[in-house]
Amino acid sequence: QVQLQESGPGLVKPSETLSLTCTVSGYYINSAYSWAWVRQPPGEGLEWLGLIYHNGITNYNPSHRGRATISSDTSNNQFSLRLTSVTAADTAVYYCARLSSWSFDYWGQGTLVSVSS
Amino acid sequence: DIQLTQSPSTVSASVGDRVTITCRASQSIGYWLAWYQQKSGKAPKLLIYKASSLESGVPSRFSGSGSGTEFTLTISSLQPDDFATYHCQQYNRYSGITFGGGTKVEIK
Repeated sequence: QVQLQESGPGLVKPSETLSLTCTVSGYYINSAYSWAWVRQPPGEGLEWLGLIYHNGITNYNPSHRGRATISSDTSNNQFSLRLTSVTAADTAVYYCARLSSWSFDYWGQGTLVSVSS
Repeated sequence: DIQLTQSPSTVSASVGDRVTITCRASQSIGYWLAWYQQKSGKAPKLLIYKASSLESGVPSRFSGSGSGTEFTLTISSLQPDDFATYHCQQYNRYSGITFGGGTKVEIK
C-alpha cells in the first residue's frame, strides 16, 4: 500500500522560502515512477508545480521555474519542495503525489500553507 | 502552454441521471488525459487515465473517451457518492502538466 504524507510549516512569511517534505511508504522512490508536487489555492483549481523522476532528474512548471526546487532523499524515502520568495498568492493546500502513466495515482492528504506576516 | 477548458463549470443533476463533462485542449495531446474526482477537503482521486482506462477500484459507471483535443467523462447513472468536483489533467512532453478548471456536480 503506497502512502504519501506531506510535512512542513503551515505559516510562512512573505519573501521567505516555503519548504515541504513528502515521506513515502510502501514504495521506494528511486525504483520507478515520478514524484510530484501539486497545489490548490483556496476555492481554486489544481496547479502542477514540478516533479522528480526516480533517477533524480527534475522537471518544473515553466511558471515556477527559478523559484521552485524539488529534491529527493532516497535514504529516507522522501522528496522535498522549496519555493522561494513567497507571496500571498502562494497560499494553498500543497499535495505530493506519484505520477504513473502521466496521471497521479497516489496522493498525500495535503497540507495548507498560508503566507502571511 | 496547453490550456484545458472544462464545460460546464457546474452541472445540476439527480440520482440516476447520466452526466457528461467535456474537457477541450488548446492543442492535440493524443490520449494523455486523466480525470479526477475531488470531494471537499480531500485530495483528488484518479478515475480515468490515458483518456479511457478505468483506474483499479473505480466503479464501471465512470467512463472516459476522446483523443486529440476533445475528451469526455461520463457517469452513466449518478449515485449519491458522486456529488463532487471533477478535474481533467493533461501531459505534454514539451509544456508539462496542466489541469482544467474543474466541474462541480451538484444535487438538482
